[in-house]
Amino acid sequence: SYVLTQPPSVSVAPGQTARITCGGNNIGSKSVHWYQQKPGQAPVLVVYDDSDRPSGIPERFSGSNSGNTATLTISRVEAGDEADYYCQVWDSSSGPTYVFGTGTKVTVL
Amino acid sequence: EVQLVESGGGLIQPGGSLRLSCAASGFTVSSNYMSWVRQAPGKGLEWVSVIYSGGSTYYADSVKGRFTISRDNSKNTLYLQMNSLRAEDTAVYYCASLTVTYWYFDLWGRGTLVTVSS
Repeated sequence: SYVLTQPPSVSVAPGQTARITCGGNNIGSKSVHWYQQKPGQAPVLVVYDDSDRPSGIPERFSGSNSGNTATLTISRVEAGDEADYYCQVWDSSSGPTYVFGTGTKVTVL
Repeated sequence: EVQLVESGGGLIQPGGSLRLSCAASGFTVSSNYMSWVRQAPGKGLEWVSVIYSGGSTYYADSVKGRFTISRDNSKNTLYLQMNSLRAEDTAVYYCASLTVTYWYFDLWGRGTLVTVSS
């Protein structure tokens, strides 16, 4: 089965840039999506198809994907960005499955 | 307003059964790809099952043979029948709609908690 690996935690000062990686075998060939989840809430999509943003998501959220690593970048970090972030892909190697990354806790210092 | 509302969670003993429901409003379940995603306490997200608009169903290996996804078009409701429940099935269960263009989850419910414990 396909595995997506994320760092457990990332710490960043307000106004700085946070980068969250998502590693997977040849992930660059897949479409990667990113979700933000705050405590007690359902996940919210912040980036889809590697680098597109849904309406209502600030331009501070951006994404990239190449080789074996996809990256979510949060620029000019704000206190409200503190949350868990998950990457996700669709994999069809053994039947359709929807794989989530292990998750990264972003802490704003 | 477009929304999904889950119900049916609760405390159940190991080996027991439970059926979760996901009622949709402003949204047609049968016309969309619908899924269940769960999250164990303090853990990450795990995809559980999907039903396509054409009726095809797929499951994660961890629940295959024990869980069944279905829908009632007249009630515009998605279901998850869970049998032979185990402690490791304890989680918040979310229903979510899946886009067919890029295969991401664009609409989520608030979730319902299932606790499997004696």
